[in-house]
Amino acid sequence: EVQLVESGGGLVKPGGSLRLSCAASGFTFSSYSMNWVRQAPGKGLEWVSSISSSSSYIYYADSVKGRFTISRDNAKNSLYLQMNSLRAEDTAVYYCEMATTTNDYWGQGTLVTVSS
Amino acid sequence: QSVLTQPPSASGTPGQRVTISCSGSSSNIGSNTVNWYQQLPGTAPKLLIYSNNQRPSGVPDRFSGSKSGTSASLAISGLQSEDEADYYCAAWDDSLNGRRFGGGTKLTVL
Repeated sequence: EVQLVESGGGLVKPGGSLRLSCAASGFTFSSYSMNWVRQAPGKGLEWVSSISSSSSYIYYADSVKGRFTISRDNAKNSLYLQMNSLRAEDTAVYYCEMATTTNDYWGQGTLVTVSS
Repeated sequence: QSVLTQPPSASGTPGQRVTISCSGSSSNIGSNTVNWYQQLPGTAPKLLIYSNNQRPSGVPDRFSGSKSGTSASLAISGLQSEDEADYYCAAWDDSLNGRRFGGGTKLTVL
């Protein structure tokens, strides 16, 4: 069974940093691209970043480019999102997502709150 | 404002057929496939339709998707109370070099 478990969320002050992790199990992690998607309270889904299976291709939404860094450790079956220079508008539930050709899988999400 | 435009709300009565539209442009829907997601309150999104009109295993055939030009639609037939949820379309955008979601449509079953 595919499982994605996010962690690392919490309360941080504007300008601060946070590192999110996503532990993957139940599939060959090194074979799949991974994504981070966020959802601000009461708002819609927003794609944040994607990374290819071997980390060769990385993409970011304009809203986080230059502040967030996605990475992965295939030996540890883990996906990461390093978030720097956090702003109030980054407050959201952050989901990690894995998509195959015929389905996709989401974690339960981790809440990041940016507030003074 | 989202790159992909969806109506903010839709509604129907049990048993009815409802459609939700998603309007984009040549750089997203016009040149890439569309996925649809269902999000029940307090839960993570769930893939309903991939590659414009394909259903993952386990998704009832009451749900169907279509695409024409720069627009896509999700149809739900035989509406049930448990279909009350938020629905999102998504597609890769070649100009923005990123994935885009529609703003979401809240479906109410009356």
